Amino acid sequence: NAGVTQTPKFQVLKTGQSMTLQCAQDMNHNSMYWYRQDPGMGLRLIYYSASEGTTDKGEVPNGYNVSRLNKREFSLRLESAAPSQTSVYFCASSTGPWMSSGNTIYFGEGSWLTVV
Amino acid sequence: KQEVTQIPAALSVPEGENLVLNCSFTDSAIYNLQWFRQDPGKGLTSLLLIQSSQREQTSGRLNASLDKSSGRSTLYIAASQPGDSATYLCAVTGETSGSRLTFGEGTQLTVNP
Repeated sequence: NAGVTQTPKFQVLKTGQSMTLQCAQDMNHNSMYWYRQDPGMGLRLIYYSASEGTTDKGEVPNGYNVSRLNKREFSLRLESAAPSQTSVYFCASSTGPWMSSGNTIYFGEGSWLTVV
Repeated sequence: KQEVTQIPAALSVPEGENLVLNCSFTDSAIYNLQWFRQDPGKGLTSLLLIQSSQREQTSGRLNASLDKSSGRSTLYIAASQPGDSATYLCAVTGETSGSRLTFGEGTQLTVNP
């Protein structure tokens, strides 16, 4: 009963390095999301994918790219990491894209990223 | 822009106490409001979802109320237990935010044995 799985759990990067956070869900959900969580800022949406083959910017997309590889997988890439991207990143998924219909959203356990 | 505020930021209570967590939002044009629980080093787990047409939802010892017109919600926890210790976040789905979630910063709850 894996739900939403993220890798890696922890990562330290040097400024300017690139990396990809991987996310996979086994619930046959159509929609997937990437959030970041920072002290004093709460959770903020970076990018989302309403359905396979589509991606859209969220509240804080700058410095990130995403790929919806297939229905199960949604990756987040930092092309040139900056200290401001030090954060905890959460992947999430839901049946449909619109929370207006009351879709339950499921979160992964988070990826702790430090950029030095 | 929708803003969600949670008060208090932290709360410490003795076991057995009934408690109330507060959530307020600036734009009353919402579809629903959700309460989540986050344990240290873990992701978020949805506890209760209240549709905008509803006044409250209950699950076990948890009761969440919604006053959409005043932009407020409360999460009531009855007979608190040490296992309730976690951070509780509320989030609203706004009619003008692409139906996406806007989160508060959370209330960190500690229930002491």
